Amino acid sequence: GAVVSQHPSRVICKSGTSVKIECRSLDFQATTMFWYRQFPKQSLMLMATSNEGSKATYEQGVEKDKFLINHASLTLSTLTVTSAHPEDSSFYICSARVVGRVFYEQYFGPGTRLTVT
Amino acid sequence: GDSVTQMEGPVTLSEEAFLTINCTYTATGYPSLFWYVQYPGEGLQLLLKATKADDKGSNKGFEATYRKETTSFHLEKGSVQVSDSAVYFCALQETSGSRLTFGEGTQLTVNP
Repeated sequence: GAVVSQHPSRVICKSGTSVKIECRSLDFQATTMFWYRQFPKQSLMLMATSNEGSKATYEQGVEKDKFLINHASLTLSTLTVTSAHPEDSSFYICSARVVGRVFYEQYFGPGTRLTVT
Repeated sequence: GDSVTQMEGPVTLSEEAFLTINCTYTATGYPSLFWYVQYPGEGLQLLLKATKADDKGSNKGFEATYRKETTSFHLEKGSVQVSDSAVYFCALQETSGSRLTFGEGTQLTVNP
């Protein structure tokens, strides 16, 4: 149980276009989802915390107008990278917290590799 | 703020060697501590966790003990396998919320 999926797993887009990444909890409901960014050979950087039905909370230095997060249901959160540029190329990972469980249970998706050309 | 420091990698071992990856943390409260593993091209998987001082987390032959006096949570395995090759992340979670703070990660390569 507690599986989190991401789609797409890889995406290549041209500079200036927008890309949407989906994060789904497949067999549980998640009131809270987290979006991370990982650069090659580096740790995960928390970008934002997404709560179902409310606006996401962004970490300092993360542009909310560039990285649009929507958490419309208890099983789906989306991250849209708007007007993507090559410096946005990265590995994006989401995680989901299980409803009703102790606070430390987070489950991670497999990640989405974004390449902006 | 909270922070996690891991030993620098990469670490290269021969199969059946003993593994230690050091992790120390700084926190204002009493965090929960975790080790996550990331295989190539994949997301993170929880390897083990400990929620209070002196707890020992263990899984798949790996273990780590929450040492409050030394603020450490070192990962150990007695005999590594080639399949253990991955990146290992130490992380902590504040007691006041569910935000995870990660260390830099340690790349482990196990050669046959």
